[in-house]
Amino acid sequence: EPEVTQTPSHQVTQMGQEVILRCVPISNHLYFYWYRQILGQKVEFLVSFYNNEISEKSEIFDDQFSVERPDGSNFTLKIRSTKLEDSAMYFCASSEMGLNEKLFFGSGTQLSVL
Amino acid sequence: GESVGLHLPTLSVQEGDNSIINCAYSNSASDYFIWYKQESGKGPQFIIDIRSNMDKRQGQRVTVLLNKTVKHLSLQIAATQPGDSAVYFCAGFNFGNEKLTFGTGTRLTIIP
Repeated sequence: EPEVTQTPSHQVTQMGQEVILRCVPISNHLYFYWYRQILGQKVEFLVSFYNNEISEKSEIFDDQFSVERPDGSNFTLKIRSTKLEDSAMYFCASSEMGLNEKLFFGSGTQLSVL
Repeated sequence: GESVGLHLPTLSVQEGDNSIINCAYSNSASDYFIWYKQESGKGPQFIIDIRSNMDKRQGQRVTVLLNKTVKHLSLQIAATQPGDSAVYFCAGFNFGNEKLTFGTGTRLTIIP
């Protein structure tokens, strides 16, 4: 079965540094998402992306965050200047037809900001 | 805004028994609900979904019930197996936007 892949599985960084989390969505999917989950808390929506632009974003997704689809296969989340509170598991997801169809999630990247 | 929450944070069930995981939501405009299973170290995995114009939907060993009157959603897992041990999240969605709102999760433990 096709799957969403994310790299790296664990990213450790110092506060103030930039990080890029990478995702390869399922190849025929058109809608892409980032979610995050702080340890012990619920999964939170960050951003949705379709047709090379952001279609929806949450209040968490401030100016420090950006997303990009640099080529036909990758979907990235960049955090420009990481803060301690950015430490979380970040999940990428994709769907073929938006939320009329189910989302497929990757296994996540654990971001630890020290 | 919308919130989706779960009644119990943990649930233990004997292997072979049926389990019921409950979820309450606050936004009556929610159009669509999904149950996800999350195993340790993995991302959420879709289990079953239900639209707001339905009150029941069945899958393989799983049934989702939706009671819009009391804004309540439940996931029933029949004949539980050790592999069912995981955290289960309900998520609600309104077609006016494109984000899922997740509940806090219930940790289901299957006792052999």
